[in-house]
Amino acid sequence: NAGVTQTPKFQVLKTGQSMTLQCAQDMNHNSMYWYRQDPGMGLRLIYYSASEGTTDKGEVPNGYNVSRLNKREFSLRLESAAPSQTSVYFCASTPERAVPYEQYFGPGTRLTVT
Amino acid sequence: DQQVKQNSPSLSVQEGRISILNCDYTNSMFDYFLWYKKYPAEGPTFLISISSIKDKNEDGRFTVFLNKSAKHLSLHIVPSQPGDSAVYFCAASVSNYQLIWGAGTKLIIKP
Repeated sequence: NAGVTQTPKFQVLKTGQSMTLQCAQDMNHNSMYWYRQDPGMGLRLIYYSASEGTTDKGEVPNGYNVSRLNKREFSLRLESAAPSQTSVYFCASTPERAVPYEQYFGPGTRLTVT
Repeated sequence: DQQVKQNSPSLSVQEGRISILNCDYTNSMFDYFLWYKKYPAEGPTFLISISSIKDKNEDGRFTVFLNKSAKHLSLHIVPSQPGDSAVYFCAASVSNYQLIWGAGTKLIIKP
């Protein structure tokens, strides 16, 4: 049982390049999330997926797209990377009807855009 | 506009003593509050939570107190151990799917 896995762990992109961050969970959780964490700030929600086949915007969705490929996998795509997207990205998941909204996190992807 | 604030970026405590981490919030509609712990190069892990209808929740060495009138919550760790050295985040739920996070407090336990 690996929990929540994220690939890659590190990535350096040039401005304008695109990439996809991968996330998978093996806990049969319904809901999945993408966050970004910047220095001196808390985690900010980019997108979430309440269940397979649905996605919704969070607090900071601009510049990102997501795909809930199946129940296990939730990917985050940067179509044209910008230096402002330099951050650590975390994927998380939550069991169905979880109270109090306990989220299980992956180890993160550290992305630098030059 | 920060709805959840952790005003102390860092806190240093002697091993064996009590650690008290604080969090203030502005939105009276939050229904749950959670504390997460984060080690370097790892994702946050859930520690303890409290419903807005309670004023205290305890789990082993960890106790969370909620003061709704002051819009303030605190996490007490007794006794503090070296393994407690980490960044602690306070978070509040606005819906089933959205948590608002504080900026975190780095706790350092001195031997």
